[in-house]
Amino acid sequence: GAGVSQSPSNKVTEKGKDVELRCDPISGHTALYWYRQSLGQGLEFLIYFQGNSAPDKSGLPSDRFSAERTGGSVSTLTIQRTQQEDSAVYLCASIAPGREGLYEQFFGPGTRLTVL
Amino acid sequence: SQQGEEDPQALSIQEGENATMNCSYKTSINNLQWYRQNSGRGLVHLILIRSNEREKHSGRLRVTLDTSKKSSSLLITASRAADTASYFCATPPQRGSEKLVFGKGTKLTVNP
Repeated sequence: GAGVSQSPSNKVTEKGKDVELRCDPISGHTALYWYRQSLGQGLEFLIYFQGNSAPDKSGLPSDRFSAERTGGSVSTLTIQRTQQEDSAVYLCASIAPGREGLYEQFFGPGTRLTVL
Repeated sequence: SQQGEEDPQALSIQEGENATMNCSYKTSINNLQWYRQNSGRGLVHLILIRSNEREKHSGRLRVTLDTSKKSSSLLITASRAADTASYFCATPPQRGSEKLVFGKGTKLTVNP
């Protein structure tokens, strides 16, 4: 596709349930990021995939959060045993192969997660 | 701690006026980027300025960078109602990193 896509666009779940959020990056982009944005706040870095390197998981808030990137393309963010404080917009971004060491991020439209 | 912080947090102006938003950061950087976000959804890249540049233009946007003060400003000239959005600056957490750290943003409202 022409841009980064994410699904679902909205997800409402009950506390304690698991959710999976999907990100399809732009074809050929080697790096992929997940961010979380709570209402009226900035972006909170969650996890970063770059090629075949081990992912940078330093931003994951707890062990309930995990992410995979299959075949260097599609990524899935999984939140287990969801809590109300997990409610936020989850944004995915991908980056084109490096150009002069400067990187512009291309964002998907986000998934709005609401935990009741 | 936050790498980039925008100021003001919110700005309300009339159509046709100029809007200026500022960003301060902490570490040495090789570039600074500005993004726009409509209605809490995906961000759109606006402009990237390199550390050896002092000013950059793109349409009605003008970005300045002062590395000695670790600050940047985004100026939107002749604002339009459609410019209403949140604007974020983003910088690498350390020089050369391809990661970006985003500020909390400035919420701009342009009144018709």
